[in-house]
Amino acid sequence: GEDVEQSLFLSVREGDSSVINCTYTDSSSTYLYWYKQEPGAGLQLLTYIFSNMDMKQDQRLTVLLNKKDKHLSLRIADTQTGDSAIYFCAETVISSGSARQLTFGSGTQLTVLP
Amino acid sequence: DADVTQTPRNRITKTGKRIMLECSQTKGHDRMYWYRQDPGLGLQLIYYSFDVKDINKGEISDGYSVSRQAQAKFSLSLESAIPNQTALYFCATSDTRTSGRSEQFFGPGTRLTVL
Repeated sequence: GEDVEQSLFLSVREGDSSVINCTYTDSSSTYLYWYKQEPGAGLQLLTYIFSNMDMKQDQRLTVLLNKKDKHLSLRIADTQTGDSAIYFCAETVISSGSARQLTFGSGTQLTVLP
Repeated sequence: DADVTQTPRNRITKTGKRIMLECSQTKGHDRMYWYRQDPGLGLQLIYYSFDVKDINKGEISDGYSVSRQAQAKFSLSLESAIPNQTALYFCATSDTRTSGRSEQFFGPGTRLTVL
C-alpha cells in the first residue's frame, strides 16, 4: 500500500537552511506536495512539483525530487521564526475507480531557534 | 483557507453522544473530504465525495458517516462518539478541473474531545 514517511522533528537556528525529507512509495505519483500547518490552523499548500521535474524553486523554497529513490525534500533558505510549523509531504495516488487522492506523511515539526 | 469553513471549531462531548461536524465551502469545488489528524500520524482520510451523489469511504470510515447536502456542504457524523475519536478533524476541497493536480484546500479544523 501507499506510505509516505517523514522524520517527526527538526530544529534549526534562525538564518540557517532547513531541509525536510520525505520518502514515498507510489512510483505512479504525478504530483508531490508540501503543505504547512501553523499552530491552530489548517494545512496550506506551500508548493508542489510535477513528477517529470527534478527541482523547483520558489523564493526561499527549493524542492528536490529523486524519482529513482522516491525521495522528496524541501529546503527553506534563511529560516525565520515564522517558518516554525508542521510540514507535510503528500503524494497523489490512484484510489478505486481511478480517482486521485492524496496520501500524507506524518508531518515534520520544524522548530526555529533564535 | 477562509473559503472553507468548519463548525464548530471546538467541541467537547461525552461517550455515546451523537455529534455532527459541518463544512461549507465557497470555492465552487466539486470534491470534498474529511480527515482526522492525530499527533505523529499525519492525516487519515475518513470519507470523500466527488459530487453530491458520490460518497466514498476512506481508510478509517468505521464509526463515522457523512452527508453531502449540496455541492458546498459536507457534514461528518459520529453516531455514538467514543474517546478514541478525540482528534482534530479537517475538511478539504479540490477541483476536478485542475486535472491531475489533486491540490486540496483545507478548513481551519474542528478540535473534538470525547470524554
